[in-house]
Amino acid sequence: DVKVTQSSRYLVKRTGEKVFLECVQDMDHENMFWYRQDPGLGLRLIYFSYDVKMKEKGDIPEGYSVSREKKERFSLILESASTNQTSMYLCASLNSGTGLRNTIYFGEGSWLTVV
Amino acid sequence: AQKITQTQPGMFVQEKEAVTLDCTYDTSDPSYGLFWYKQPSSGEMIFLIYQGSYDQQNATEGRYSLNFQKARKSANLVISASQLGDSAMYFCAMRETGYSSASKIIFGSGTRLSIRP
Repeated sequence: DVKVTQSSRYLVKRTGEKVFLECVQDMDHENMFWYRQDPGLGLRLIYFSYDVKMKEKGDIPEGYSVSREKKERFSLILESASTNQTSMYLCASLNSGTGLRNTIYFGEGSWLTVV
Repeated sequence: AQKITQTQPGMFVQEKEAVTLDCTYDTSDPSYGLFWYKQPSSGEMIFLIYQGSYDQQNATEGRYSLNFQKARKSANLVISASQLGDSAMYFCAMRETGYSSASKIIFGSGTRLSIRP
């Protein structure tokens, strides 16, 4: 089974801190994603990546950056955390494979509270 | 611009009734895939059903079917004979191939479905 592991389930950080959210997948998937989930807004795409060569901004990249130095690891970085970044963050991975049918696999989520 | 719209924030349905969850999308990519996911209170995302833009028939997976109307850009999820365990958040999602290597997948805002006994 595909496993997507997010290193921290619950974090509490102070405003202005630099925050790292780590995500590792064990199935050699090329595509990885970071979303945030907020009530009434659904899942919003922050960044996505294809292997270590490419990182692309999603729909809400402001205040975030990413790192993908190894294919299996995709990190989300909050350079200076703010209270409006309090949210649940979901990492996901996807095998490009052939066709569009391949489904996306999610981690368990990281609940971040910025105080 | 690529977009997914779910206009029903919440729905209540009587057990054993059928329910339709609405999803409309917007894309300029001729090749795309549409997905539905279920998120119970435990938080995990469960894949339900997939529809490709070139598929001639509507997708079905057990009690789930997808009413795909390409010209109207809608991909509604139909759950037949609803059960108490169907109570959850439901998300519609779209995957495009506009990028040469990467896949971009976006989600709608979700519909919270509650099944009444």
